[in-house]
Amino acid sequence: NAGVTQTPKFQVLKTGQSMTLQCAQDMNHEYMSWYRQDPGMGLRLIHYSVGAGITDQGEVPNGYNVSRSTTEDFPLRLLSAAPSQTSVYFCASRGTDSGANVLTFGAGSRLTVL
Amino acid sequence: AQSVTQLGSHVSVSEGALVLLRCNYSSSVPPYLFWYVQYPNQGLQLLLKYTTGATLVKGINGFEAEFKKSETSFHLTKPSAHMSDAAEYFCAVSVGSGTYKYIFGTGTRLKVLA
Repeated sequence: NAGVTQTPKFQVLKTGQSMTLQCAQDMNHEYMSWYRQDPGMGLRLIHYSVGAGITDQGEVPNGYNVSRSTTEDFPLRLLSAAPSQTSVYFCASRGTDSGANVLTFGAGSRLTVL
Repeated sequence: AQSVTQLGSHVSVSEGALVLLRCNYSSSVPPYLFWYVQYPNQGLQLLLKYTTGATLVKGINGFEAEFKKSETSFHLTKPSAHMSDAAEYFCAVSVGSGTYKYIFGTGTRLKVLA
């Protein structure tokens, strides 16, 4: 049982470059989300999805795009990277039958934008 | 609106001493409360959760937390700290079964001194 898998673990970009952070889960979870973690700010929600074809914005969506074509995958796209997007990114998922609302997190992707 | 406040961004304790990490929340309806732990260079793992019922909840690695509605608190404790407890701890709140909204605190980094 792999859980939530994120790739890559580390990435360095130059300002203006684009890239996609991948997130896949094998638990048939309907809910998937992306957070960014910055020192002293905890986790902030970027985008989330409650099922294939359904996405919505979180607290800090600017500069990021998402799509959800399958239940398993929820990629996060940076179209034109900026130094302010240097952060650690976490993908998290949850099943709709989880009455306890417990999120399962991936191991994180550390992104540096120069 | 819901909010979470973690008092103390850094806490140091001696090995064998009591660990107390503080979390206060704000919610207009009964919340679900969580503590997550993040070890260096890893994702977040669920430590324990409160949903309904018994207000003292026990988690992994000897940690426990007590939901005190009158004080709007959910402090995390462990009677005797171990070196392996050194990590960052996040308190989080969600409101209502099935909700997709989570609010995370800014985290408390626990240092255990030999």
